[in-house]
Amino acid sequence: NAGVTQTPKFRVLKTGQSMTLLCAQDMNHEYMYWYRQDPGMGLRLIHYSVGEGTTAKGEVPDGYNVSRLKKQNFLLGLESAAPSQTSVYFCASKSLGFGENEQFFGPGTRLTVL
Amino acid sequence: ELKVEQNPLFLSMQEGKNYTIYCNYSTTSDRLYWYRQDPGKSLESLFVLLSNGAVKQEGRLMASLDTKARLSTLHITAAVHDLSATYFCAVDVLAGQGAQKLVFGQGTRLTINP
Repeated sequence: NAGVTQTPKFRVLKTGQSMTLLCAQDMNHEYMYWYRQDPGMGLRLIHYSVGEGTTAKGEVPDGYNVSRLKKQNFLLGLESAAPSQTSVYFCASKSLGFGENEQFFGPGTRLTVL
Repeated sequence: ELKVEQNPLFLSMQEGKNYTIYCNYSTTSDRLYWYRQDPGKSLESLFVLLSNGAVKQEGRLMASLDTKARLSTLHITAAVHDLSATYFCAVDVLAGQGAQKLVFGQGTRLTINP
């Protein structure tokens, strides 16, 4: 199993450009999440999804859109990139249920907006 | 708004010494996670603490949870250089749509010197 994968690993954009980050998981997890990590800070939740076709806003959703058309994929879109969106983006997934039920994180995408 | 605060944010210590990282949080939660992050890497799960009084140990690291005090600790015993990394605690709380989300502390950057 590949676990959680993210595409691309690195990207440089100019202000105003758009792009889509792809997250894929092969663990049949229901929940998927997008976080951003800025220097000196922990991860902050952008959007999340509890299943195919459903999405919800997290703590810092402005400037981002998401879609979950297939259970295994969660897309994060930037329609008009701004320098404030320079960050490292992490995707995570989690199964339903109880117990330890932890989130599994992807390797991250480092995005620079000039 | 839930706040998760780690203390200290930076820690430089010598090999062989003991130290403790503290994680305080501001709302009720019975589930807390500790992660390790190496520079340029993703998050690696260290411990999942599921109830009041939970204690887990792995090698030179030991984590505990006191839900009444809303406090978790990560104790390092006889530190070695390989433990140099940034450590995050994260609290599991209810989000919308029946999901749960993680709220992260700022991270503690640990440097262990020979």
